[in-house]
Amino acid sequence: AQSVTQLGSHVSVSEGALVLLRCNYSSSVPPYLFWYVQYPNQGLQLLLKYTSAATLVKGINGFEAEFKKSETSFHLTKPSAHMSDAAEYFCAVTIGNQFYFGTGTSLTVIP
Amino acid sequence: DSGVTQTPKHLITATGQRVTLRCSPRSGDLSVYWYQQSLDQGLQFLIQYYNGEERAKGNILERFSAQQFPDLHSELNLSSLELGDSALYFCASTLGHFGDGTRLSIL
Repeated sequence: AQSVTQLGSHVSVSEGALVLLRCNYSSSVPPYLFWYVQYPNQGLQLLLKYTSAATLVKGINGFEAEFKKSETSFHLTKPSAHMSDAAEYFCAVTIGNQFYFGTGTSLTVIP
Repeated sequence: DSGVTQTPKHLITATGQRVTLRCSPRSGDLSVYWYQQSLDQGLQFLIQYYNGEERAKGNILERFSAQQFPDLHSELNLSSLELGDSALYFCASTLGHFGDGTRLSIL
Protein backbone atom coordinates (compact mmCIF):
# COMPACT_ATOMS: atom_id res chain seq x y z
CA ALA A 1 0.00 0.00 0.00
CA GLN A 2 1.26 3.41 -0.97
CA SER A 3 2.00 5.38 2.18
CA VAL A 4 2.70 8.71 0.57
CA THR A 5 1.49 10.07 -2.74
CA GLN A 6 2.70 13.16 -4.51
CA LEU A 7 0.25 14.43 -7.09
CA GLY A 8 1.95 15.80 -10.16
CA SER A 9 5.39 14.61 -11.13
CA HIS A 10 6.06 17.95 -12.84
CA VAL A 11 4.89 21.39 -11.79
CA SER A 12 5.67 24.65 -13.59
CA VAL A 13 5.10 28.08 -12.11
CA SER A 14 6.04 31.57 -13.15
CA GLU A 15 8.61 33.45 -11.12
CA GLY A 16 6.77 35.28 -8.35
CA ALA A 17 3.75 32.98 -8.47
CA LEU A 18 2.48 30.71 -5.73
CA VAL A 19 4.12 27.33 -5.41
CA LEU A 20 1.85 24.44 -4.37
CA LEU A 21 3.20 20.91 -4.25
CA ARG A 22 0.75 18.26 -3.12
CA CYS A 23 1.35 15.36 -0.77
CA ASN A 24 -1.14 12.91 0.69
CA TYR A 25 -0.36 10.13 3.09
CA SER A 26 -2.01 7.03 4.43
CA SER A 27 -1.38 5.93 7.97
CA SER A 28 -3.37 4.35 10.76
CA VAL A 29 -1.11 5.92 13.37
CA PRO A 30 -0.02 9.54 13.76
CA PRO A 31 2.73 10.08 11.22
CA TYR A 32 5.75 12.28 11.09
CA LEU A 33 5.91 14.11 7.76
CA PHE A 34 8.78 15.71 5.90
CA TRP A 35 9.52 17.70 2.81
CA TYR A 36 12.94 17.50 1.18
CA VAL A 37 14.48 19.29 -1.78
CA GLN A 38 17.07 17.81 -4.07
CA TYR A 39 19.13 19.92 -6.44
CA PRO A 40 20.89 18.24 -9.38
CA ASN A 41 23.75 16.01 -8.35
CA GLN A 42 23.22 16.75 -4.68
CA GLY A 43 21.81 14.99 -1.66
CA LEU A 44 18.50 15.67 0.00
CA GLN A 45 18.03 18.79 2.05
CA LEU A 46 15.35 18.97 4.70
CA LEU A 47 12.90 21.82 4.09
CA LEU A 48 10.59 21.21 7.02
CA LYS A 49 9.03 18.53 9.18
CA TYR A 50 5.83 17.90 11.08
CA THR A 51 6.16 15.98 14.33
CA SER A 52 2.73 16.42 15.93
CA ALA A 53 3.22 19.93 17.25
CA ALA A 54 1.84 22.92 15.30
CA THR A 55 -0.06 21.91 12.18
CA LEU A 56 1.36 24.80 10.17
CA VAL A 57 5.06 24.22 9.79
CA LYS A 58 7.46 26.84 8.51
CA GLY A 59 10.65 25.73 6.87
CA ILE A 60 13.66 27.13 5.15
CA ASN A 61 13.71 29.27 2.01
CA GLY A 62 10.21 30.61 2.64
CA PHE A 63 8.44 27.27 2.36
CA GLU A 64 5.70 26.10 4.65
CA ALA A 65 3.33 23.15 4.88
CA GLU A 66 0.10 22.49 6.69
CA PHE A 67 -0.81 19.15 8.20
CA LYS A 68 -4.50 18.43 7.64
CA LYS A 69 -5.52 15.23 9.32
CA SER A 70 -9.04 15.28 7.87
CA GLU A 71 -7.63 15.42 4.36
CA THR A 72 -4.54 13.27 5.13
CA SER A 73 -2.53 15.94 3.38
CA PHE A 74 0.72 17.81 3.91
CA HIS A 75 0.97 20.17 0.94
CA LEU A 76 4.02 22.37 0.49
CA THR A 77 3.58 26.02 -0.39
CA LYS A 78 5.61 29.14 -1.03
CA PRO A 79 3.97 32.50 -1.74
CA SER A 80 6.39 33.64 -4.40
CA ALA A 81 8.58 31.35 -6.50
CA HIS A 82 12.21 32.17 -7.18
CA MET A 83 14.32 30.81 -9.97
CA SER A 84 16.49 29.13 -7.35
CA ASP A 85 13.51 27.02 -6.24
CA ALA A 86 13.75 24.89 -9.37
CA ALA A 87 14.53 21.41 -8.06
CA GLU A 88 13.03 18.04 -7.19
CA TYR A 89 10.86 17.93 -4.09
CA PHE A 90 10.10 14.84 -2.06
CA CYS A 91 7.45 14.30 0.56
CA ALA A 92 8.21 11.60 3.12
CA VAL A 93 6.49 9.96 6.04
CA THR A 94 7.64 7.86 8.95
CA ILE A 95 5.16 5.28 10.17
CA GLY A 96 6.45 3.38 13.13
CA ASN A 97 10.05 2.68 12.35
CA GLN A 98 9.58 2.67 8.58
CA PHE A 99 10.31 5.57 6.27
CA TYR A 100 8.58 6.12 2.94
CA PHE A 101 9.22 8.67 0.20
CA GLY A 102 6.89 9.96 -2.43
CA THR A 103 7.88 9.70 -6.07
CA GLY A 104 8.94 13.32 -6.19
CA THR A 105 7.75 16.47 -7.95
CA SER A 106 10.01 18.34 -10.31
CA LEU A 107 9.45 22.08 -10.00
CA THR A 108 10.23 24.33 -12.95
CA VAL A 109 10.22 28.09 -12.46
CA ILE A 110 9.56 30.10 -15.60
CA PRO A 111 11.16 33.57 -15.81
CA ASP B 1 27.37 21.19 4.38
CA SER B 2 25.29 18.52 6.13
CA GLY B 3 28.24 17.12 8.08
CA VAL B 4 27.56 13.65 6.65
CA THR B 5 30.40 12.22 4.58
CA GLN B 6 30.04 9.54 1.98
CA THR B 7 32.80 7.84 0.03
CA PRO B 8 33.40 7.21 -2.74
CA LYS B 9 31.37 9.74 -4.75
CA HIS B 10 31.37 7.55 -7.83
CA LEU B 11 31.85 3.83 -8.28
CA ILE B 12 31.90 1.92 -11.52
CA THR B 13 32.01 -1.85 -11.50
CA ALA B 14 30.73 -4.91 -13.29
CA THR B 15 27.91 -7.34 -12.73
CA GLY B 16 28.62 -10.03 -10.16
CA GLN B 17 31.06 -7.87 -8.25
CA ARG B 18 30.94 -6.69 -4.64
CA VAL B 19 31.35 -3.12 -3.40
CA THR B 20 31.42 -1.31 -0.09
CA LEU B 21 30.01 2.16 0.43
CA ARG B 22 31.04 4.16 3.44
CA CYS B 23 29.23 6.77 5.47
CA SER B 24 30.37 8.89 8.39
CA PRO B 25 27.52 10.53 10.27
CA ARG B 26 27.46 14.07 11.52
CA SER B 27 29.46 14.57 14.70
CA GLY B 28 27.32 13.65 17.70
CA ASP B 29 24.70 11.72 15.74
CA LEU B 30 24.28 8.05 16.60
CA SER B 31 22.05 7.04 13.71
CA VAL B 32 22.82 6.16 10.14
CA TYR B 33 20.08 5.65 7.56
CA TRP B 34 20.77 4.19 4.11
CA TYR B 35 18.65 4.95 1.04
CA GLN B 36 18.68 3.98 -2.60
CA GLN B 37 17.55 6.35 -5.34
CA SER B 38 17.01 4.88 -8.78
CA LEU B 39 14.98 5.78 -11.83
CA ASP B 40 12.90 2.62 -11.53
CA GLN B 41 12.24 2.50 -7.80
CA GLY B 42 12.50 6.14 -6.81
CA LEU B 43 13.82 6.88 -3.34
CA GLN B 44 13.69 3.91 -0.98
CA PHE B 45 14.69 3.44 2.61
CA LEU B 46 17.04 0.49 3.03
CA ILE B 47 18.12 0.21 6.64
CA GLN B 48 18.80 2.18 9.81
CA TYR B 49 21.46 1.68 12.47
CA TYR B 50 21.54 3.34 15.84
CA ASN B 51 24.67 3.23 17.98
CA GLY B 52 25.86 0.04 16.34
CA GLU B 53 22.55 -1.82 16.39
CA GLU B 54 20.13 -2.39 13.54
CA ARG B 55 17.04 -0.30 14.31
CA ALA B 56 14.82 -0.61 11.25
CA LYS B 57 14.86 -2.43 7.96
CA GLY B 58 13.19 -1.30 4.78
CA ASN B 59 13.41 -2.62 1.21
CA ILE B 60 16.92 -4.00 1.48
CA LEU B 61 17.80 -6.98 -0.68
CA GLU B 62 19.39 -10.07 0.82
CA ARG B 63 22.44 -9.40 -1.37
CA PHE B 64 22.92 -6.16 0.54
CA SER B 65 24.13 -5.84 4.10
CA ALA B 66 25.20 -3.05 6.37
CA GLN B 67 26.90 -2.51 9.67
CA GLN B 68 27.78 0.34 11.97
CA PHE B 69 31.14 0.37 13.68
CA PRO B 70 32.12 1.56 17.18
CA ASP B 71 33.28 4.90 15.76
CA LEU B 72 29.71 5.18 14.32
CA HIS B 73 30.68 5.13 10.67
CA SER B 74 28.67 2.71 8.60
CA GLU B 75 29.31 0.55 5.58
CA LEU B 76 26.81 -0.72 3.07
CA ASN B 77 27.95 -3.87 1.30
CA LEU B 78 26.41 -4.74 -2.04
CA SER B 79 27.24 -8.14 -3.50
CA SER B 80 26.47 -10.14 -6.64
CA LEU B 81 25.75 -6.84 -8.31
CA GLU B 82 23.15 -6.63 -11.04
CA LEU B 83 22.51 -3.94 -13.62
CA GLY B 84 19.44 -2.88 -11.68
CA ASP B 85 21.56 -1.99 -8.67
CA SER B 86 22.84 1.06 -10.51
CA ALA B 87 21.61 3.93 -8.39
CA LEU B 88 22.51 6.75 -6.11
CA TYR B 89 23.00 5.54 -2.54
CA PHE B 90 22.52 8.06 0.22
CA CYS B 91 23.13 7.91 3.90
CA ALA B 92 21.75 10.24 6.51
CA SER B 93 22.35 10.79 10.18
CA THR B 94 19.04 11.97 11.64
CA LEU B 95 16.35 12.53 9.09
CA GLY B 96 17.52 16.03 8.33
CA HIS B 97 21.12 15.54 7.33
CA PHE B 98 21.96 13.67 4.19
CA GLY B 99 25.27 13.00 2.53
CA ASP B 100 25.80 13.82 -1.13
CA GLY B 101 25.56 10.17 -2.08
CA THR B 102 27.58 7.54 -3.88
CA ARG B 103 26.67 7.05 -7.51
CA LEU B 104 27.05 3.37 -8.36
CA SER B 105 27.18 2.37 -12.01
CA ILE B 106 27.08 -1.28 -12.99
CA LEU B 107 28.41 -2.08 -16.43
